[in-house]
Amino acid sequence: DTAVSQTPKYLVTQMGNDKSIKCEQNLGHDTMYWYKQDSKKFLKIMFSYNNKELIINETVPNRFSPKSPDKAHLNLHINSLELGDSAVYFCASRMQGARETQYFGPGTRLLVL
Amino acid sequence: DQQVKQNSPSLSVQEGRISILNCDYTNSMFDYFLWYKKYPAEGPTFLISISSIKDKNEDGRFTVFLNKSAKHLSLHIVPSQPGDSAVYFCAALTQGGSEKLVFGKGTKLTVNP
Repeated sequence: DTAVSQTPKYLVTQMGNDKSIKCEQNLGHDTMYWYKQDSKKFLKIMFSYNNKELIINETVPNRFSPKSPDKAHLNLHINSLELGDSAVYFCASRMQGARETQYFGPGTRLLVL
Repeated sequence: DQQVKQNSPSLSVQEGRISILNCDYTNSMFDYFLWYKKYPAEGPTFLISISSIKDKNEDGRFTVFLNKSAKHLSLHIVPSQPGDSAVYFCAALTQGGSEKLVFGKGTKLTVNP
């Protein structure tokens, strides 16, 4: 009965590769997010989608491309991976509406070698 | 440009005593504040929130205090329990904004039995 799930949990890959991270929520929420937690432990928003439409894009390199096939899924594709992309990526979701709580997934730990 | 600051990376307290976690912010447009708790290898989970029109919000053992003039908030946990050991993130939302959470770096709380 996982609310927000992410796959894979761990991802180790070489520089220059292309990889995808998947996120699914079964909470019936209509807004989903991707956050990045870097080595300095800052959690920063990357993207947000509402009803499959991009609403937040936080100056992220265009090597990162989110895709939302439906309201319950928000995937993150990363092209030409760089060492600096190593981080923990968290997906989150919430219902549209002021001050609704965001629910986070368990994170995907990406290590680029 | 850190808009939300948690200056103590760690805090250690004895079981049964009070834990006080502090958070400062610089953006006067923030009008809603949240605390998230994070265990290792899990995503952040919502703990408690406060609107800028209030100066205190209480939920069981957890109380959040807001001092708008000082741009400071604190989370009090009393009595502290070993299960409270986690990283606590302070986060803020901008009024009328796109529900984009801005996080602090987190404080790791250890409650010793």
